[in-house]
Amino acid sequence: GQNIDQPTEMTATEGAIVQINCTYQTSGFNGLFWYQQHAGEAPTFLSYNVLDGLEEKGRFSSFLSRSKGYSYLLLKELQMKDSASYLCAVRDPRDSWGKLQFGAGTQVVVTP
Amino acid sequence: SQTIHQWPATLVQPVGSPLSLECTVEGTSNPNLYWYRQAAGRGLQLLFYSVGIGQISSEVPQNLSASRPQDRQFILSSKKLLLSDSGFYLCAWSGLREKLFFGSGTQLSVL
Repeated sequence: GQNIDQPTEMTATEGAIVQINCTYQTSGFNGLFWYQQHAGEAPTFLSYNVLDGLEEKGRFSSFLSRSKGYSYLLLKELQMKDSASYLCAVRDPRDSWGKLQFGAGTQVVVTP
Repeated sequence: SQTIHQWPATLVQPVGSPLSLECTVEGTSNPNLYWYRQAAGRGLQLLFYSVGIGQISSEVPQNLSASRPQDRQFILSSKKLLLSDSGFYLCAWSGLREKLFFGSGTQLSVL
């Protein structure tokens, strides 16, 4: 299976930048996803990385290093609405149907 | 466009009572369907997934079962709920090796 680690909580100020790290241990790799989840709501898709490098989408960027088993999600120009849990998920390489295994999530608290 | 519907949004049930949560997907054919559970402050645990009608795979042994009577319908059931079944249940769908799209979730409290 997958072992996916990410910090439990991070706090940052409105307008600042926060970087959420995710490390995974697996015998293979078939893609990494980041989801955002507000309290009591369903997760929503943010980004997908399958090759090394940085993917940028507006204020959010995601980076992947397959050799290091490492990814990060970068949130720039933080807004209060960015307060949420951010979930790192890895696709099981043994599974042709594409099931995702999720980390426990990182709770980001944005303060004024 | 594709949409996923999940109901009810909240549910309070006594221990030992049955459970039925329903999820339907519109706008796509032959989706992969999933049931996840999220305990308070924890990550998503995959409970069941299905790649076709009547095809159910269970990820963890538990007090729950799932069924897929139609292509775009996925049902989570239990005959007798336990306290430990409390949590936030999420239905999701995906295409083959694509990202997951989640339903709005059901907050289940077993008392």
